[in-house]
Amino acid sequence: GGIITQTPKFLIGQEGQKLTLKCQQNFNHDTMYWYRQDSGKGLRLIYYSITENDLQKGDLSEGYDASREKKSSFSLTVTSAQKNEMAVFLCASSLGVQDTQYFGPGTRLLVL
Amino acid sequence: QQKVQQSPESLSVPEGGMASLNCTSSDRNFQYFWWYRQHSGEGPKALMSIFSDGDKKEGRFTAHLNKASLHVSLHIRDSQPSDSALYFCAASEPGYQNFYFGKGTSLTVIP
Repeated sequence: GGIITQTPKFLIGQEGQKLTLKCQQNFNHDTMYWYRQDSGKGLRLIYYSITENDLQKGDLSEGYDASREKKSSFSLTVTSAQKNEMAVFLCASSLGVQDTQYFGPGTRLLVL
Repeated sequence: QQKVQQSPESLSVPEGGMASLNCTSSDRNFQYFWWYRQHSGEGPKALMSIFSDGDKKEGRFTAHLNKASLHVSLHIRDSQPSDSALYFCAASEPGYQNFYFGKGTSLTVIP
């Protein structure tokens, strides 16, 4: 088995601030994902990466940047945090196309 | 428009009862479907995948897929309090890594 680690667990930022969330996986999976989970809206895909140094935009990529410098890690940057923004950001990985995704525990963001 | 719709939004069943969750897609390109479960404070965990029409059973969980009607369901028999969680349906097209999740069904199993 493997594990996905997300840091930090909680992130409190100020409006306009640039904030970075990190994700590490030891499954040796090729594909990694970032999702945003808002109450009542399910999971929405922000970015995904099919291999090291690859980036693909999801439906919710505006306002975010991502970086996949190593196979095992995938970072997400909120380029300018919005006041009253509160959401959970979930990282996931999968072996490849149409494979089951394994999720981390999430980073909970609050913007003051 | 939400590509994957789930119903009901919330569901309560007694312990030992049967829970039935539904999922409908609006995109005929979707061929692959998953059910995920998320307990409070945790990330979602995959319950099962279903890619072919018909039933797929894993323990107390049975998924049913009808591609013609773009409908997939999940049935949980002998429901346990530990089954209380948020259940998501997810779908994807062949060759694409872009997954679409529904908004989820909140299941409460009453002891």
